[in-house]
Amino acid sequence: DQQVKQNSPSLSVQEGRISILNCDYTNSMFDYFLWYKKYPAEGPTFLISISSIKDKNEDGRFTVFLNKSAKHLSLHIVPSQPGDSAVYFCAASVTGTYKYIFGTGTRLKVLA
Amino acid sequence: DADVTQTPRNRITKTGKRIMLECSQTKGHDRMYWYRQDPGLGLRLIYYSFDVKDINKGEISDGYSVSRQAQAKFSLSLESAIPNQTALYFCATSDPPLAGASYNEQFFGPGTRLTVL
Repeated sequence: DQQVKQNSPSLSVQEGRISILNCDYTNSMFDYFLWYKKYPAEGPTFLISISSIKDKNEDGRFTVFLNKSAKHLSLHIVPSQPGDSAVYFCAASVTGTYKYIFGTGTRLKVLA
Repeated sequence: DADVTQTPRNRITKTGKRIMLECSQTKGHDRMYWYRQDPGLGLRLIYYSFDVKDINKGEISDGYSVSRQAQAKFSLSLESAIPNQTALYFCATSDPPLAGASYNEQFFGPGTRLTVL
């Protein structure tokens, strides 16, 4: 039973345009969400997070939106750059557990 | 130098063999984790340790064991490897969260690609 789902395994976007990566979750107890980025032959690296008390968090070109009622979060990358080409994982956590449930990942390809 | 290192980076072994994957960190973190990544399944937690005397099972601990030899070292063992343990294995570390914080960022090693024939 996949509690965190990324239904798009891959996404291609033109350089300079917006990339939108989506993530859905089923466990209403989740109250903290993170996005990790992974390049080939490297481990995932933390990108951005959001607490359930917020509906938006922004860091430079990266913005994460959280819709609690829909149990949905999305990562927006604007403008997209070729160096953003990677696999993106969303992860969810229940406060106090400090364990993350990861989604299946979306491979983003930004075309020059 | 990498803060979280994993050895070996690649390993091919046969069914029934005992395998140990090692993880070392220089970040000084108390918490260490082992995950496996499979296509279409994301990363799943195998075991985690919040300090040297603390070991906990994750989502998919069957067929695995761990040893926390020191604050900086956390090893994952497959006692008798089977083909469906073929996967990419990641070690991660973290500090305890700051007071009032909801999360603690985890720092991942580069991964070990294990193939069980």
